[in-house]
Amino acid sequence: AQSVTQLGSHVSVSEGALVLLRCNYSSSVPPYLFWYVQYPNQGLQLLLKYTSAATLVKGINGFEAEFKKSETSFHLTKPSAHMSDAAEYFCAVIEGGNKLVFGAGTILRVKS
Amino acid sequence: DTGVSQDPRHKITKRGQNVTFRCDPISEHNRLYWYRQTLGQGPEFLTYFQNEAQLEKSRLLSDRFSAERPKGSFSTLEIQRTEQGDSAMYLCASSYGQSPNYGYTFGSGTRLTVV
Repeated sequence: AQSVTQLGSHVSVSEGALVLLRCNYSSSVPPYLFWYVQYPNQGLQLLLKYTSAATLVKGINGFEAEFKKSETSFHLTKPSAHMSDAAEYFCAVIEGGNKLVFGAGTILRVKS
Repeated sequence: DTGVSQDPRHKITKRGQNVTFRCDPISEHNRLYWYRQTLGQGPEFLTYFQNEAQLEKSRLLSDRFSAERPKGSFSTLEIQRTEQGDSAMYLCASSYGQSPNYGYTFGSGTRLTVV
């Protein structure tokens, strides 16, 4: 079964600093990987997805992620954090070609 | 495209009562998924439909839970004899086809509180 591990349940950065949210996956087949963002009492919004094309994936709101097979990682980055980036972020992998399997999430706090 | 709609947004119920949630997917999406999210956790898969057929159910979906998607349009998730452990956010998502290239669109969820 596929799974994802998100290192760090809470990450705190200063406004304007680099954002790095870590995700490692476990998959016996080439994975399809996703990052979602969730604001309080909201559903999930897709940030970006990796579907075996380019290994560097650019998403919305200035986020990007790099697929590294050798490290089984799909870390999410943003060069400069904004206050509006404060939210919970979930990494997910597709299992069985059908359903998403999510990590436990990372809460991003942005300090002014 | 009005997105995925879920109703109600919030539901408070007494233990032992039955509750029903509704999800309206994006109209051209043939796949519909239900997930449950408890505090501090990522969403967990419950079940999914392709058109009106329920193709997979998680072990999390006990006998008290039932989901339907009549005519392959909206879906309902019913919980009978609710328990405090059922308190969670219930998320619905829809997609077009099987390929992950199509993506999954999530609704805003229904937050259930069992008192």
